[in-house]
Amino acid sequence: SQQGEEDPQALSIQEGENATMNCSYKTSINNLQWYRQNSGRGLVHLILIRSNEREKHSGRLRVTLDTSKKSSSLLITASRAADTASYFCATVPSGAGSYQLTFGKGTKLSVIP
Amino acid sequence: KAGVTQTPRYLIKTRGQQVTLSCSPISGHRSVSWYQQTPGQGLQFLFEYFSETQRNKGNFPGRFSGRQFSNSRSEMNVSTLELGDSALYLCASSDVRGNYGYTFGSGTRLTVV
Repeated sequence: SQQGEEDPQALSIQEGENATMNCSYKTSINNLQWYRQNSGRGLVHLILIRSNEREKHSGRLRVTLDTSKKSSSLLITASRAADTASYFCATVPSGAGSYQLTFGKGTKLSVIP
Repeated sequence: KAGVTQTPRYLIKTRGQQVTLSCSPISGHRSVSWYQQTPGQGLQFLFEYFSETQRNKGNFPGRFSGRQFSNSRSEMNVSTLELGDSALYLCASSDVRGNYGYTFGSGTRLTVV
């Protein structure tokens, strides 16, 4: 079953603009991860944020996590045409014995050159 | 460092047949997970193996099974194929708990006709 929802489902921006995607989830988590998928290929791990962290940066990526609202956002700054892809958030639940990712439905990002 | 290797890349099978998919994880990773991706249901967790033991199983019928070998390579099997089993099957490997994210293979595209 899906953990939550990404918002928006689709986003179209001009190259150089910033792209923001949001993710909501339902249960307590150990960590939250963001992945990128290009056109039906495998998923590429972008960034992981733990439940005790509020913000994390990696290159042009900035992720925030609000555990009280059970939500996260991914910001891609100065977007490029190569950023065109689907972006998924995925959560790992808290508690022992939980080793699975639960994915959202994804945001399809189109960056127009 | 070689990535996660999935074979075959594409597969066409007939309803009622069975299929076996293979996944070789990143060297040193002992956890292997399997996911099914369809347009309707999105990314769904199938099962996860660590040191040849299944630690978690998703909500799929018993026709879906898997195993892991002593070298951490994993296989998943789907018996009595149905049209609805057509999907992209993704394998991911990680450290013990996935604390640093998961590395996905390129997937096996299964079409059932």
